[in-house]
Amino acid sequence: DAGVIQSPRHEVTEMGQEVTLRCKPISGHNSLFWYRQTMMRGLELLIYFNNNVPIDDSGMPEDRFSAKMPNASFSTLKIQPSEPRDSAVYFCASSFRVSGDTEAFFGQGTRLTVV
Amino acid sequence: AQKVTQAQTEISVVEKEDVTLDCVYETRDTTYYLFWYKQPPSGELVFLIRRNSFDEQNEISGRYSWNFQKSTSSFNFTITASQVVDSAVYFCALSSTQGAQKLVFGQGTRLTINP
Repeated sequence: DAGVIQSPRHEVTEMGQEVTLRCKPISGHNSLFWYRQTMMRGLELLIYFNNNVPIDDSGMPEDRFSAKMPNASFSTLKIQPSEPRDSAVYFCASSFRVSGDTEAFFGQGTRLTVV
Repeated sequence: AQKVTQAQTEISVVEKEDVTLDCVYETRDTTYYLFWYKQPPSGELVFLIRRNSFDEQNEISGRYSWNFQKSTSSFNFTITASQVVDSAVYFCALSSTQGAQKLVFGQGTRLTINP
């Protein structure tokens, strides 16, 4: 398996623009997580899906952030409009959940810079 | 609330030395998982180990070993005979066993192995 695949690896955008980050989880995994990593706050969970359904989005910072999972093999995290404070590395992770989860495997991350 | 503390922000040792990374956690859950992840300079997050709270046996994997002590809420990680390739940021994390495996991360310890 190729692992969790995220695109793009790097994104530079101007303040106010819409940004879409993409994630392809490991095939067969049914839980998907979006995390954000910043120097100030470290790694924090934004949202997670189980069987394509958003279960907990309490970590989403504000309404400018939205996430979707239209099918088991694809998820997006959108920021509209983007602000400089959104600059961070965004990680997608997936795991397999039946009665409990396997360990989460992470993608390589998308480094977002908003100027 | 769950919390993970990695008090060592940075550690620097000379190659071949042994080094221990400390992790202390707080949780009200009776069962939980503990994890270690490695983040090399390339930026990805690499899964190292998951330990269930009811399994207090120490684990060894090659040069890596983990010491779980429930009585002190600690899950320390030791690298024996360190190598330059071990240089990375290491994260300890905690999750509940109930529901999806939402990870709560510590702030990380930056380990530098000098030749």
